[in-house]
Amino acid sequence: DAKTTQPPSMDCAEGRAANLPCNHSTISGNEYVYWYRQIHSQGPQYIIHGLKNNETNEMASLIITEDRKSSTLILPHATLRDTAVYYCIVGGGNQFYFGTGTSLTVIP
Amino acid sequence: NAGVMQNPRHLVRRRGQEARLRCSPMKGHSHVYWYRQLPEEGLKFMVYLQKENIIDESGMPKERFSAEFPKEGPSILRIQQVVRGDSAAYFCASSHGDQPQHFGDGTRLSIL
Repeated sequence: DAKTTQPPSMDCAEGRAANLPCNHSTISGNEYVYWYRQIHSQGPQYIIHGLKNNETNEMASLIITEDRKSSTLILPHATLRDTAVYYCIVGGGNQFYFGTGTSLTVIP
Repeated sequence: NAGVMQNPRHLVRRRGQEARLRCSPMKGHSHVYWYRQLPEEGLKFMVYLQKENIIDESGMPKERFSAEFPKEGPSILRIQQVVRGDSAAYFCASSHGDQPQHFGDGTRLSIL
């Protein structure tokens, strides 16, 4: 049911940038790209979202390709506390389709 | 500035009993969503409500499950005659209009 494809797992060295890719080739014109993360089975935490333009906030940057068929979440300086499952979601705001996400492990 | 509040955090029921899960949305949020998460899986959408109205219940099982969001008070997810397969984490989210959803920390339901 999920309309996105993400690698199941990734490692990143502490202090380095973590780049998490997501494919969403069937995205429609009015659908946003949202990123959430889930730590230790807590509730998903909102990170960032965007429609067409690249976005940046205090947590991360979101790079969306010009054709909008893929995006990359960038954590500029990963810390051990960023170890989590990261979900890329496309939608218009009502139903969110969560796939299995990318399990990011930040290594000391 | 409380976030989405869910209670109880953990709930244990025996087969055949009823489970009631509560969700208080963030202040100013009038949209509530319920999701279910099985171990090692992503969250699955169940239902979307606004005050006193069910907007989308396409993810709700047809029997035993119901949800409400009354004019006053929290949203309630009710599971009647629980079975072992209902054991899961149930997450509630809220939003203001079409803004991003914000999630609570869930209720872990265990069925004995």
